[in-house]
Amino acid sequence: EAGVAQSPRYKIIEKRQSVAFWCNPISGHATLYWYQQILGQGPKLLIQFQNNGVVDDSQLPKDRFSAERLKGVDSTLKIQPAKLEDSAVYLCASSLWGLAVPYNEQFFGPGTRLTVL
Amino acid sequence: AQKITQTQPGMFVQEKEAVTLDCTYDTSDQSYGLFWYKQPSSGEMIFLIYQGSYDEQNATEGRYSLNFQKARKSANLVISASQLGDSAMYFCAMREEYGNKLVFGAGTILRVKS
Repeated sequence: EAGVAQSPRYKIIEKRQSVAFWCNPISGHATLYWYQQILGQGPKLLIQFQNNGVVDDSQLPKDRFSAERLKGVDSTLKIQPAKLEDSAVYLCASSLWGLAVPYNEQFFGPGTRLTVL
Repeated sequence: AQKITQTQPGMFVQEKEAVTLDCTYDTSDQSYGLFWYKQPSSGEMIFLIYQGSYDEQNATEGRYSLNFQKARKSANLVISASQLGDSAMYFCAMREEYGNKLVFGAGTILRVKS
């Protein structure tokens, strides 16, 4: 079974530029998550989708970050304009459902490392 | 709000020895889940082990076991017979009672010495 795919793996941009990340979850997984992992910290949830609807975006900086999952499968995360503090690894994860039940673990992609200069 | 604390920024262990990585948590939920993930230098998060708050027995998965002490709110990961490939960052995470959102600790970097 193919895992969670993300692209690009690395991206370097200058501040105030725009950037977009793409994620394709495991086939059949209804729930998709975007996490931000700043160097030296654990991942922090930015947004959670259930199919193509948003479940939780309470920690998404909505003035500059946006995300969509139009057909309930793959997703894009955009930053516009980028700031220096956005330098981080952006991890995409998926799970079968959005329920807190056993064995509904999240599977993570390899991440996109963003450097903002 | 949930909080995960990992007090060990870094740990060393000799190959073939066991090591314990500490994790304490804070939550007001009655039902919750605790996870450990491994993150090698390549960056992906690899699921290791899961413990439900109502599980009476400690979870085990191969060389990984979770020492769950509910009254002390701790969920320590024990890795037995360490291997060089165990060198990585390890994260403890909590899933809240509703929804599947994970809250992560700051992580512990483990280095296995030969």
